[in-house]
Amino acid sequence: EVQLLESGGALVQPGGSLRLSCAASGFPFSSHTMNWVRQAPGKGLEWVSGISGSGATSDYADSVKGRFTISRDNSKNTLKLQMNSLRAEDTAVYFCAKENSRDGDFENWGQGTLVTVSS
Amino acid sequence: DIQMTQSPSPLSASVGDRVTITCRASQTIGTSLNWYQQKPGTAPKLLIYGASSLQSGVPSRFSGSGSGTDFTLTIHNLQPEDFATYYCQQSYSSLITFGPGTKVDIK
Repeated sequence: EVQLLESGGALVQPGGSLRLSCAASGFPFSSHTMNWVRQAPGKGLEWVSGISGSGATSDYADSVKGRFTISRDNSKNTLKLQMNSLRAEDTAVYFCAKENSRDGDFENWGQGTLVTVSS
Repeated sequence: DIQMTQSPSPLSASVGDRVTITCRASQTIGTSLNWYQQKPGTAPKLLIYGASSLQSGVPSRFSGSGSGTDFTLTIHNLQPEDFATYYCQQSYSSLITFGPGTKVDIK
């Protein structure tokens, strides 16, 4: 059974940093592109970043480019998101999601971790 | 970036209705279009991938169609558990984008 478990969410001040983790199990982790998707309170889904199975390539939404860094450790089946220069508008539930190669769909999602940026 | 729009929003319907949600991409995306259902406080659930393929375990009352820029999600015989928010997502570009969502609520 595929399991994705996010952690690391917290209350952080504007301008601060936070690192999220997603522990994966139940599938060949290194074979799948992994993504972070966020959802601000009462708002829709926003794709944040994705990283290829090998970790060689990554992409970012314009809203986080230059501030967030996605990475993965295939030896530990772990996905990470380093978030710097946090802003109030980064407040959201952050989900990790496993991407299928068939159509780039997100078949499996974690339960999410809440990041609150506030003074 | 590819922009996604959805209509209508919200959508009021009754149990037993047939419901159609439309999603439009700002440029052609072939059939790289996926649909998700989300209920409050939970992660999204994949319903349809590749514009028209039903995800395993999803009831057959859900169907998807379309290609290029215009897509639809249809729910036949709406059930009480189908009242939720539905999102389309394009996976044509590596810069993935979601539609704004369509909330289906009870009329």
